[in-house]
Amino acid sequence: EVQLVESGGGLVQPGGSLRLSCAASGFAFSNYWMTWVRQAPGRGLEWVANIKKDGIEKYYVDSVKGRFTISRDNAKNSLFLQMNNLRAEDTAVYYCSTSLASGIDYWGQGSLVTVSS
Amino acid sequence: QSVLTQPPSVSAAPGQKVTISCSGSSSNIGNNYVSWYQQFPGTAPKLLIYDSDKRPSGIPDRFSGSKSGTSATLGITGLQTGDEADYYCGTWDNSLTAYVFGTGTKVTVL
Repeated sequence: EVQLVESGGGLVQPGGSLRLSCAASGFAFSNYWMTWVRQAPGRGLEWVANIKKDGIEKYYVDSVKGRFTISRDNAKNSLFLQMNNLRAEDTAVYYCSTSLASGIDYWGQGSLVTVSS
Repeated sequence: QSVLTQPPSVSAAPGQKVTISCSGSSSNIGNNYVSWYQQFPGTAPKLLIYDSDKRPSGIPDRFSGSKSGTSATLGITGLQTGDEADYYCGTWDNSLTAYVFGTGTKVTVL
């Protein structure tokens, strides 16, 4: 069974940093692209970033470029999102996800990040 | 502001059909497959349609997808109260080099 479990969310002050982790199991993690998607309270889905299976090729939404870094550890079946210089508008539930077939077909339960003073 | 536009809401009586449109451009829908996602409040999204018109295992055939040019459509027939949820389209945008989601549509069963 495919499982994606996020951790690391919480309350952080504006300008602060936070690192999200995602533990993956039930599939060959090193063979697949991985993705972070977020959803602000009461708002729609927003794709944040994705990373190729080798960890070299990465893409980001414009609003987080230069502030967020996606990475992975294939030996530990783990995905990360390092978030620096956080802003109030980064407040959201962050989902770890992947595409084993086509489309984003597996999602974690989400981790809430709140940026507030 | 999303590059994929959906109607904010659609509604119909139980048993009826609804369609949800997703309008984009040549840099996204026009040259890539579209996926559709269903989301209930407080839960993670669920893939309903991939490759524009295919259903993952376990998704009933009441849900269908199509694409024409720079637009895509999700259809739900035999509407049930359990279909009340938010629905999002999504696809890759070649110009933005980013995945984009639609603005989202709330389905209400009257």
